[in-house]
Order: sequence, then C-alpha cells, then structure tokens
Amino acid sequence: AQSVTQPDIHITVSEGASLELRCNYSYGATPYLFWYVQSPGQGLQLLLKYFSGDTLVQGIKGFEAEFKRSQSSFNLRKPSVHWSDAAEYFCAVGAGGTSYGKLTFGQGTILTVHP
Amino acid sequence: DAGITQSPRHKVTETGTPVTLRCHQTENHRYMYWYRQDPGHGLRLIHYSYGVKDTDKGEVSDGYSVSRSKTEDFLLTLESATSSQTSVYFCATTPKPGTSGSSYNEQFFGPGTRLTVL
Repeated sequence: AQSVTQPDIHITVSEGASLELRCNYSYGATPYLFWYVQSPGQGLQLLLKYFSGDTLVQGIKGFEAEFKRSQSSFNLRKPSVHWSDAAEYFCAVGAGGTSYGKLTFGQGTILTVHP
Repeated sequence: DAGITQSPRHKVTETGTPVTLRCHQTENHRYMYWYRQDPGHGLRLIHYSYGVKDTDKGEVSDGYSVSRSKTEDFLLTLESATSSQTSVYFCATTPKPGTSGSSYNEQFFGPGTRLTVL
C-alpha cells in the first residue's frame, strides 16, 4: 500500500528566509507526486506535481520540488518565504492502474511565518 | 479552477440522525472523491467514483455510503451520524487519463463542509 510521511508537523520561519518541507513516500511503482497548500478555512490548491521527466519541478508562487527516487523523497522548497505563505502544506502520492487517481496524503505541515 | 461546490458548507446535527452531503461539479470530470480531514491525519479517502453508478470504498468507508446518479453530482451519506464523524469533508474531482494530453491528472478540490455531530 502507498503511504506518505511528512516528518515536520509545524515549521516556523522568518519572512525572507528559505524553506524546505520534507516529504517521504512509499509506492511500488513510479509515483505520481503532488504538493497542495491549504489556507485556513479553504480548500486545497495544487502547488506542483511530478509525473515523470525532469526531477526538479517548478510550481506556482515560487515553489519548487525535487524528486529523489533513491531517497523516496519529494521535498518542497522556496528560496524566500513571504508572510502570505503561511498555511498548511500537504504532500500526496497518486495511484495508477485500476486505482487511478486515488491520492494518499501525508499528515500535513503547518507553516508559520514571522515578520 | 474546476467548478466544484459543496452543500451545505456547515452543518450541526445530533448523534443517530442521517446526514447527506452534496458535491456538484460543472467540469464533466469522470472521477469524484470524498475525503475527510482531521488534525494529524491529513486527508483520508472515504469513497470514490469512477463513473456514473460506479463507486468504490476508500480507506475510511465504515459508516458512510455514496451515490452517483449523474456525472455532476456525488452524494455522501452518513446513515446514522456519530461523534467520531465530526470532521471537515472535502469533495474532489479529476478528469480521465489522457485528458489535456496528460497520462495523469491532479485533483481539484471543493471548499469543504464542516460537519459537527453532537
């Protein structure tokens, strides 16, 4: 069965600092990987996705993520955090085949940004 | 963004009563999903649908049922609500593989329904 682990429940950074959110996955085949962001009281918005090809993917709002097969990781990064980035971030892995589209989410990482 | 609405957005009910949540989409997406979100658990899949009248169970399906009589609507029913079903419920949709030239597609999420069972 597929699984996702986000080791950090809560991260606090200062505005302008760099950010890295960790994500480790377990999946038997080539994974379909996603990062979503959720602002308080809102639904989930896709930040970026990895299906194949270049292992460094660019997303919206200046975020990027790197797929490392050897480490089963898909960490999210941003070089300079803005106060508006404060939110909860979810990593997810998607199933293929007859289970197409089914997502397994990590527990989420809450990001707090200090001015 | 995909046009996904959920109703009601908030609901308070009592233990033992039936509850139905509705998800409506205007994107003609084939696949639809119901998740629940609880602190420390992220989102967990309750049920999903891969076409009209085609549904299957997710990882936390006990106590829930679903129906999909037409492409645009996906209903989630709690036959007899319990306090453990207090949660925020999200609907999501995704088009079939190959749409827009991609072999895989992301899910689009609705705004959520906050359900409290007293």
